[in-house]
Amino acid sequence: NAGVTQTPKFQVLKTGQSMTLQCAQDMNHEYMSWYRQDPGMGLRLIHYSVGAGITDQGEVPNGYNVSRSTTEDFPLRLLSAAPSQTSVYFCASSGAAAGLSEQYFGPGTRLTVT
Amino acid sequence: RKEVEQDPGPFNVPEGATVAFNCTYSNSASQSFFWYRQDCRKEPKLLMSVYSSGNEDGRFTAQLNRASQYISLLIRDSKLSDSATYLCVVNAVYGGATNKLIFGTGTLLAVQP
Repeated sequence: NAGVTQTPKFQVLKTGQSMTLQCAQDMNHEYMSWYRQDPGMGLRLIHYSVGAGITDQGEVPNGYNVSRSTTEDFPLRLLSAAPSQTSVYFCASSGAAAGLSEQYFGPGTRLTVT
Repeated sequence: RKEVEQDPGPFNVPEGATVAFNCTYSNSASQSFFWYRQDCRKEPKLLMSVYSSGNEDGRFTAQLNRASQYISLLIRDSKLSDSATYLCVVNAVYGGATNKLIFGTGTLLAVQP
């Protein structure tokens, strides 16, 4: 059982470039979310989805877009990368809304923007 | 004030020691509480949920104090493999239906041989 997978594991971008971080889960979870983790700060919610076709903003959505065309996939798009987006990005899924069941995290994507 | 506050540590303890972490939260509407464990450069994983009556899982005991708005994690008989960062996580409801998980910055535990 693969659980939550993320690609790529590492990425270096130049300022202004765009890219998509991929996230997939094989647990048939309705709830998926993206977080970023920075030193000295807790994980912060970027965007989340409660099911295919439904997305909403989290705490720090600016500069990021998401879509949810299938239950399995929840890609995160950086529109125009900035050095402030240098971070570790985690995708998570759960069988119910946040706080109601265990969150399963992917292995993370370490992004550096120069 | 941060919504969830933890002592960042590090807590350096010998094997076999008992260690306790506290975590305070600011939103009195919080309903669900968790401890996650995160190994270095890895993803967080659920360690245990925290229930109002307190709960125990082997060497780990979690307690909730709603009146003082804090949760605690006690680890008995520490093992080298317990070395990790422990994240306090609180669920809060905003604006009616919006659920949000609030993560603390984590407490680093280093168990020494």
